[in-house]
Amino acid sequence: AQSVTQLGSHVSVSEGALVLLRCNYSSSVPPYLFWYVQYPNQGLQLLLKYTSAATLVKGINGFEAEFKKSETSFHLTKPSAHMSDAAEYFCAVSANTGNQFYFGTGTSLTVIP
Amino acid sequence: DAMVIQNPRYQVTQFGKPVTLSCSQTLNHNVMYWYQQKSSQAPKLLFHYYDKDFNNEADTPDNFQSRRPNTSFCFLDIRSPGLGDAAMYLCATSRTGRYYGYTFGSGTRLTVV
Repeated sequence: AQSVTQLGSHVSVSEGALVLLRCNYSSSVPPYLFWYVQYPNQGLQLLLKYTSAATLVKGINGFEAEFKKSETSFHLTKPSAHMSDAAEYFCAVSANTGNQFYFGTGTSLTVIP
Repeated sequence: DAMVIQNPRYQVTQFGKPVTLSCSQTLNHNVMYWYQQKSSQAPKLLFHYYDKDFNNEADTPDNFQSRRPNTSFCFLDIRSPGLGDAAMYLCATSRTGRYYGYTFGSGTRLTVV
């Protein structure tokens, strides 16, 4: 079975500081992992995905994530937070079969001016 | 631009009055999904269509129905909305395979009065 755990339902950072959002996965097969961002009253937008190619994945808006098999992690980072990064972030893993995703419970990012 | 469009963005319905939410896509994806998302929670899968094959989640209430008349359109019908059905409803599409992420619409915010 597949699942993801996001540590920290709320994260606050100062503008210009490093953003680190944590995601650990559980998967019985090599995982495909995704990060989505959701702004208020919007749908989810794909930030980046890991599909067994490079372990360091670069996404949109300056975000990147590193797949670490030994730690079963796929943490999302950004070197310098912008006010516009304030949003809800979801980590997801695709199911072993079929097309379903398993979402984490989300992390709300607040950026302090 | 190819996209997923949900109408309306905001829907207010009366307790017990049937309501239909719509989703259309120009991506020609064969899989379409409906998710329910309550405040500060992860999206919860209600059902999905793999082409014309309907797949209901085991815990989706009978009050929720769906129709997919063609590849481009999918509808969510709530037969007798209760106050607990107030939520954001998200439509998403994907191609077949674990590799592909989802493309989400902007969602419909349903209020039940």
